[in-house]
Amino acid sequence: DTAVSQTPKYLVTQMGNDKSIKCEQNLGHDTMYWYKQDSKKFLKIMFSYNNKELIINETVPNRFSPKSPDKAHLNLHINSLELGDSAVYFCASSQPGQGEETQYFGPGTRLLVL
Amino acid sequence: DAKTTQPTSMDCAEGRAANLPCNHSTISGNEYVYWYRQIHSQGPQYIIHGLKNNETNEMASLIITEDRKSSTLILPHATLRDTAVYYCIVSIDSSYKLIFGSGTRLLVRP
Repeated sequence: DTAVSQTPKYLVTQMGNDKSIKCEQNLGHDTMYWYKQDSKKFLKIMFSYNNKELIINETVPNRFSPKSPDKAHLNLHINSLELGDSAVYFCASSQPGQGEETQYFGPGTRLLVL
Repeated sequence: DAKTTQPTSMDCAEGRAANLPCNHSTISGNEYVYWYRQIHSQGPQYIIHGLKNNETNEMASLIITEDRKSSTLILPHATLRDTAVYYCIVSIDSSYKLIFGSGTRLLVRP
């Protein structure tokens, strides 16, 4: 059973398009995250949701809009895609408590904007 | 910015212990030390974490110095599948995010 899953695994699209990436976790965790890993391999937090509420937004352009229909899902919608959005996007989840924020990551979605 | 510094790369022979150092001289009293790794093209994977005491699990051991300003991740018998980028991260109780640095690229040689 996959703990954190993402779809699609690969996404190739043209500049200016709108696309969504989906994430689901079956761990019963309250918190979910989106990270971006760019071509230089730096992994950076974008958003975090706790029980469907946004708790972290790391100065991400407002073209990126996360949506959490329930605590098991955190989807990422991107409007007007730009070349610089090409990256690998990782979803993660955790169950915070007393500092033990072990995060479980999905396999990643490789986005290429042409 | 990451609060840790790690060597850019290391290598070790298969079957030998891999010792990966990490400096975190500005660590606060309530911050944990976490280790994650990222095998090529996969999502990061949790390895181990600790606060003050040394820790051991089925994957690795974590040795934290008494002043908590540095730590060492030990893979006791490295295999080729342990080739990955290893990230040392410090995180406070109330934080909901992990700040990844550039990590250490470990190459396990046959």
